[in-house]
Amino acid sequence: LAKTTQPISMDSYEGQEVNITCSHNNIATNDYITWYQQFPSQGPRFIIQGYKTKVTNEVASLFIPADRKSSTLSLPRVSLSDTAVYYCLVGDRGSSNTGKLIFGQGTTLQVKP
Amino acid sequence: DSGVTQTPKHLITATGQRVTLRCSPRSGDLSVYWYQQSLDQGLQFLIQYYNGEERAKGNILERFSAQQFPDLHSELNLSSLELGDSALYFCASSGGLAGVDNEQFFGPGTRLTVL
Repeated sequence: LAKTTQPISMDSYEGQEVNITCSHNNIATNDYITWYQQFPSQGPRFIIQGYKTKVTNEVASLFIPADRKSSTLSLPRVSLSDTAVYYCLVGDRGSSNTGKLIFGQGTTLQVKP
Repeated sequence: DSGVTQTPKHLITATGQRVTLRCSPRSGDLSVYWYQQSLDQGLQFLIQYYNGEERAKGNILERFSAQQFPDLHSELNLSSLELGDSALYFCASSGGLAGVDNEQFFGPGTRLTVL
């Protein structure tokens, strides 16, 4: 089964770039990697998704090395409103294509003024 | 607003009881997912339905069951409730079949408290 590992917490200051890495052993060939953001008492919200190399959208970048066993979410110039919990999600297809979804334990990002 | 609705918002019940949580997906989405979020377990995938059929199963207890109806809304049934079932239950929906390959839109959640 796929297993994801993220740092439990990170601190940053406004205006800095923040990189959060997720390790995902046993990721299957067809699995995508997705990152979600969650504020207290709200449902997670999609940030970015990728399969390999680099993906960029208006809010973040996602870097995935060739072996795909990890991924790094990059948030440019964070603000106080980026204080939240960030989750990586990979699919657990394995050899049986179970479709099971595995969330990381989440990284609490605290942005300070 | 994600477009996914969940009712009720809060639910307080006693051990041994049975409850039903309801989810209405975004218009046009065929997949519905259920998740449990507790302080010690994080976000746990429970089950996915696609167009009325069970698609994938995660860490769902035998005391829990779900279904997706022809109008695509879904219900999660929790029975013989235990204190440890107290958690936030999220429903999410997506347009496609494979949860990991499609952006999921999460509802606001139902907070279940078992006393």
